[in-house]
Amino acid sequence: KAGVTQTPRYLIKTRGQQVTLSCSPISGHRSVSWYQQTPGQGLQFLFEYFSETQRNKGNFPGRFSGRQFSNSRSEMNVSTLELGDSALYLCASSLAGNSGNTIYFGEGSWLTVV
Amino acid sequence: GESVGLHLPTLSVQEGDNSIINCAYSNSASDYFIWYKQESGKGPQFIIDIRSNMDKRQGQRVTVLLNKTVKHLSLQIAATQPGDSAVYFCAEKYAGNMLTFGGGTRLMVKP
Repeated sequence: KAGVTQTPRYLIKTRGQQVTLSCSPISGHRSVSWYQQTPGQGLQFLFEYFSETQRNKGNFPGRFSGRQFSNSRSEMNVSTLELGDSALYLCASSLAGNSGNTIYFGEGSWLTVV
Repeated sequence: GESVGLHLPTLSVQEGDNSIINCAYSNSASDYFIWYKQESGKGPQFIIDIRSNMDKRQGQRVTVLLNKTVKHLSLQIAATQPGDSAVYFCAEKYAGNMLTFGGGTRLMVKP
């Protein structure tokens, strides 16, 4: 069974540009969540989608957005990139959203903003 | 791959010894806890989980202990091997799939 797949793995963008990251969850998983990982702030929750609806949102500015498609695949978008957006962006999937459903992570997308 | 979390607390152990990694969590309403292992350049890998109605759970070479009174989690790794070298994170969950992570501990295994 394939794990959580994220694309692209590495990308470099210029300040002010926008970026879209993609995530394919484990087959059968309906919940997808996104995290940002930086050396200074650690792992921080961005948002979670379940059945195409955003269920939870972290404390990030509106430049960070996401969506989920009917096949549970998800994308996140960051507009007007800033240098501080350079980070590892991680996608995680789970069967549902109930307590006790194991949450699995992908390998992440490394974003560098220059 | 790049490193994340360059200034983490570090636990250094000898190969074959047991390792204990500790974590304090923040929300007494959290009902599910997970330990993840992250190797350089990779995403977090699930190790073991525990629900709040348990105080101990064992896996292969790993044991998680939960003390709700003091909001403390620990991960015990038996017979630590060089392949266990990584950064270990605890995470708590109390709403949907929103995880709150600890700062992480770097485990270094000396051969």
